[in-house]
Amino acid sequence: SAVISQKPSRDICQRGTSLTIQCQVDSQVTMMFWYRQQPGQSLTLIATANQGSEATYESGFVIDKFPISRPNLTFSTLTVSNMSPEDSSIYLCSVEIWDSAYNEQFFGPGTRLTVL
Amino acid sequence: SQQGEEDPQALSIQEGENATMNCSYKTSINNLQWYRQNSGRGLVHLILIRSNEREKHSGRLRVTLDTSKKSSSLLITASRAADTASYFCATDAGGTSYGKLTFGQGTILTVHP
Repeated sequence: SAVISQKPSRDICQRGTSLTIQCQVDSQVTMMFWYRQQPGQSLTLIATANQGSEATYESGFVIDKFPISRPNLTFSTLTVSNMSPEDSSIYLCSVEIWDSAYNEQFFGPGTRLTVL
Repeated sequence: SQQGEEDPQALSIQEGENATMNCSYKTSINNLQWYRQNSGRGLVHLILIRSNEREKHSGRLRVTLDTSKKSSSLLITASRAADTASYFCATDAGGTSYGKLTFGQGTILTVHP
């Protein structure tokens, strides 16, 4: 398994501002993922962040709105830019761990974002 | 896009009873994973079942997978109040989508003491 931490755990932000969310893993991992969970909804994948390459975004998500950094194998950041109330969600990072040929994914505790 | 559908959307039972949640999906998969989420917090990984497996057990959890019907079920036996949470299935299609999970809508389980 993996121990994943996220900062901040929650924040309340004003419309038009940006927030950067950090994700730290206790071991080196190749693939990291960012998900969004809107209120009362399930999780939707935003992008995949691999170290040494540009993040790849899912349909409906763009780099200008959600820039991602992956400077090394244990850390990643997601920025929510020019926020609006519709960005109020829980943002979660996850990592994939190979254990005896099983590729399980483990999630961080999430960042609860409220945009006023 | 979300391909997982779960039922029921909500399930309310008494402590000690069994809880069964179902998940259906639309495309072929490499594996299917079940997660628990307490009160909008992070997800806890429960169990992974691969496409060539039909059943797996972990403690009080039993997961089945029927790839011909594109469905899976999660059974929690002898439920406890602490099992109260939302449960999600997530599929990994493999191939070019390797590692990208598609989540179902989730089942909200309430276990009454």
